[in-house]
Amino acid sequence: GAGVSQSPSNKVTEKGKDVELRCDPISGHTALYWYRQSLGQGLEFLIYFQGNSAPDKSGLPSDRFSAERTGGSVSTLTIQRTQQEDSAVYLCASSRDKSNYGYTFGSGTRLTVV
Amino acid sequence: GESVGLHLPTLSVQEGDNSIINCAYSNSASDYFIWYKQESGKGPQFIIDIRSNMDKRQGQRVTVLLNKTVKHLSLQIAATQPGDSAVYFCAENIDSGGSNYKLTFGKGTLLTVNP
Repeated sequence: GAGVSQSPSNKVTEKGKDVELRCDPISGHTALYWYRQSLGQGLEFLIYFQGNSAPDKSGLPSDRFSAERTGGSVSTLTIQRTQQEDSAVYLCASSRDKSNYGYTFGSGTRLTVV
Repeated sequence: GESVGLHLPTLSVQEGDNSIINCAYSNSASDYFIWYKQESGKGPQFIIDIRSNMDKRQGQRVTVLLNKTVKHLSLQIAATQPGDSAVYFCAENIDSGGSNYKLTFGKGTLLTVNP
């Protein structure tokens, strides 16, 4: 597609429920990143995928968070047993390769846990 | 509107004035810096970047200055327009053991342009 697409754009969920957030990167971009943006804060790195290499999961805040990338394209970020502190905007970005730091970001998914 | 800006440093300027947004970074090993613009409800958009072997870089209406001595980065916007109103983030790359794809972001500055 023309840009990075994320869905849903907004998600309200009850505490304890699982949620899945989806990211469609730009076609041909091999690198994909997930960041989290909490209220009044900068962006926090979560996870990075590059081609067929093992992902860098070092930014995931707990084992309730996981992500996968199927076929080197679409990625899904899953949060299990959501907590109120998980409320944030989850941003996905892609780039041609890891040396291109000028990521293209999607518009994000605003997650609200009530 | 986007509530993320309520907790951020703010800068208010008149249309047509020049704006200067500042950012301090902490790691002297950082070698690449980027400025992003984030409008309400959208993801961050790349504006301009600079490598540590430079101290100034210019784009269209924007200039980034890097002072490595005091670990300070600034973004200058000339003839600020209402469309420039947004949250501006600086980001740095810290190469640690090959993990040079991670960007570390500042908390952002909310720029408001008054007509």
